Amino acid sequence: DSGVTQTPKHLITATGQRVTLRCSPRSGDLSVYWYQQSLDQGLQFLIQYYNGEERAKGNILERFSAQQFPDLHSELNLSSLELGDSALYFCASSGLAGKNEQFFGPGTRLTVL
Amino acid sequence: GENVEQHPSTLSVQEGDSAVIKCTYSDSASNYFPWYKQELGKRPQLIIDIRSNVGEKKDQRIAVTLNKTAKHFSLHITETQPEDSAVYFCAASLAGTYKYIFGTGTRLKVLA
Repeated sequence: DSGVTQTPKHLITATGQRVTLRCSPRSGDLSVYWYQQSLDQGLQFLIQYYNGEERAKGNILERFSAQQFPDLHSELNLSSLELGDSALYFCASSGLAGKNEQFFGPGTRLTVL
Repeated sequence: GENVEQHPSTLSVQEGDSAVIKCTYSDSASNYFPWYKQELGKRPQLIIDIRSNVGEKKDQRIAVTLNKTAKHFSLHITETQPEDSAVYFCAASLAGTYKYIFGTGTRLKVLA
């Protein structure tokens, strides 16, 4: 167990809908990262937050948005869902500056029908 | 732009043999290189990492080497066991951002 939690574990929804994925980082970690992993694909970096502020952005679609709250948990919002958005979404967290290690949560499997 | 190439995409070895996975990164400012193991449907787990001020690091049957001049790093697994079967990802971290750029993964199969 990495200490990073994600809810829900599974999510099934229809095209055009909107969903919210939630992540709680390890205790004390200030950074949260979101990744998308499509079937048999690699890990695509979406976005990073550090202590509530957006720090880095990857190939995140405009239909996707995220935020990190004062208690450091983070939410990833996916809207106008398409079939191609079906994937595993991972959250990872890391600690203070100088500590690069990222610890991954168990992931949320999103299925868009 | 930032890129990490990983080879091979699949690798089959006999139990007890060694396995080597290679990655090349593009950004010379990268200073941290982790390796993750991901079993089917599970989270990626950090198995070993190396920083740019070190050329080699070993942890039991796993070792990582880094060649900064050539901008490549490799994962070496010796005495492979069936439980080593998984997908392995390399990554390079950009200095100052801690953002990871992942390689495309290597599916390792250890044949009993």
